[in-house]
Amino acid sequence: QKEVEQNSGPLSVPEGAIASLNCTYSDRGSQSFFWYRQYSGKSPELIMSIYSNGDKEDGRFTAQLNKASQYVSLLIRDSQPSDSATYLCAVNKRYGGSQGNLIFGKGTKLSVKP
Amino acid sequence: EAQVTQNPRYLITVTGKKLTVTCSQNMNHEYMSWYRQDPGLGLRQIYYSMNVEVTDKGDVPEGYKVSRKEKRNFPLILESPSPNQTSLYFCASSLSSGHLYEQYFGPGTRLTVT
Repeated sequence: QKEVEQNSGPLSVPEGAIASLNCTYSDRGSQSFFWYRQYSGKSPELIMSIYSNGDKEDGRFTAQLNKASQYVSLLIRDSQPSDSATYLCAVNKRYGGSQGNLIFGKGTKLSVKP
Repeated sequence: EAQVTQNPRYLITVTGKKLTVTCSQNMNHEYMSWYRQDPGLGLRQIYYSMNVEVTDKGDVPEGYKVSRKEKRNFPLILESPSPNQTSLYFCASSLSSGHLYEQYFGPGTRLTVT
C-alpha cells in the first residue's frame, strides 16, 4: 500500500462550486497532516494543517481528518479559477521513519472552469 | 522579506562532476529539508535537519550529502551526479516546535545531468 494516496485527477469543477480533494494514508501513527498547493512551475505553499480529528476551517478552505479511517480531505468552497493548481497531501511518517520525515502524495490536479 | 533562497536556479552538468546546491533561509527556522520532484513520483524527501549539526535521511538519500553548520544554511551536495538525479529540487524550512512541517519552500533548482 502506498504511504499517501491521492487521486491524480484532473478534477474539474465549475466556478463557484465546492471542490473536494481526498487523501488516504497508511501509517496509523501519523499525527500531522497538511495540504499544500502548487501552481504550475512554482514551489508548493502551505494552505492548511490539521492535527486532530474533525474539521478545521480557514476562509474558503476546510480540512477534514478521520484518523480511524486514515483519511484526510480538503474542501474548497466557492471555487475560483485562481484555485486551479495541484494540491499535495502530506503526512508525517512515524513508523519506519523519524521525527522530521514527511511524506507527500503525488497530488491532485484541480481545474476550475469559469 | 521572509524567504528561502536556492542557488543556482538552473544547472546543467555532466556525470561525475561534483556540485553543490545552496539553500538559505532568513526566518531563524530550526528545521530544513530537501526534496526532489519528478513526474509521476511526486515530491520525495531526500534529507532533513532538525537543527544545527543534526541531519537525518529522508526517503531517497542515496547519492546525496548534506551538512548543517549554520542555522540559516543547508547545502545539498552531489558528489558524483548521475543522470537519474536529473530532477527539480526544493529546499524548505519551518520552525521545529509546534509548527514542524508547516514549511516554506524555496523557488526550486532544476538540475539536468547529462
